[in-house]
Amino acid sequence: ETGVTQTPRHLVMGMTNKKSLKCEQHLGHNAMYWYKQSAKKPLELMFVYNFKEQTENNSVPSRFSPECPNSSHLFLHLHTLQPEDSALYLCASSQSPGQEGSHTEAFFGQGTRLTVV
Amino acid sequence: AQSVSQHNHHVILSEAASLELGCNYSYGGTVNLFWYVQYPGQHLQLLLKYFSGDPLVKGIKGFEAEFIKSKFSFNLRKPSVQWSDTAEYFCAVNTNAGKSTFGDGTTLTVKP
Repeated sequence: ETGVTQTPRHLVMGMTNKKSLKCEQHLGHNAMYWYKQSAKKPLELMFVYNFKEQTENNSVPSRFSPECPNSSHLFLHLHTLQPEDSALYLCASSQSPGQEGSHTEAFFGQGTRLTVV
Repeated sequence: AQSVSQHNHHVILSEAASLELGCNYSYGGTVNLFWYVQYPGQHLQLLLKYFSGDPLVKGIKGFEAEFIKSKFSFNLRKPSVQWSDTAEYFCAVNTNAGKSTFGDGTTLTVKP
């Protein structure tokens, strides 16, 4: 176990559905991340939250909506997705970048395998 | 913008062969460098990391990597691979601004 838990592990949803992915970390980190891992593509950073504030959005379509209610929890709300959004969605956490002595090593969850039909 | 390039997309080796996976990055400032590994069906996990000091870093399971600043490289090595090393390997770069960038990944298949 990495200390980062993602639920659900697998999700199949229709294009008109609304669902949410959940990520929880108990490592005392203040930075959390959403990544998308597609077949034959590099790991894509989607969103970064630092102390609950979104600090990065890498041109992600609005059908993906992140939420970070506190430093331990991160959600990714999904609505009206497309089949090409099918992928493994990874959550990660780390010490906040820039903190003195921080190592910014990321700890990853096992991911949610999303299939859009 | 920073970028990470992994030269080999798929490497196939026999057990006991030596391994070297290339990683080059482009960024002019201070970086932290990582190699992550993803075994089949498992989560991404840290293999080794470099922040400062000795440019030759040793990680878990007999892996090591050498940071060559002049070449912007951080190649991963293992003298003798095992079947259990079959996995996908990702090189990653973090800047002090916190932006992390991953390479495309290299799939290593070790034949028994």
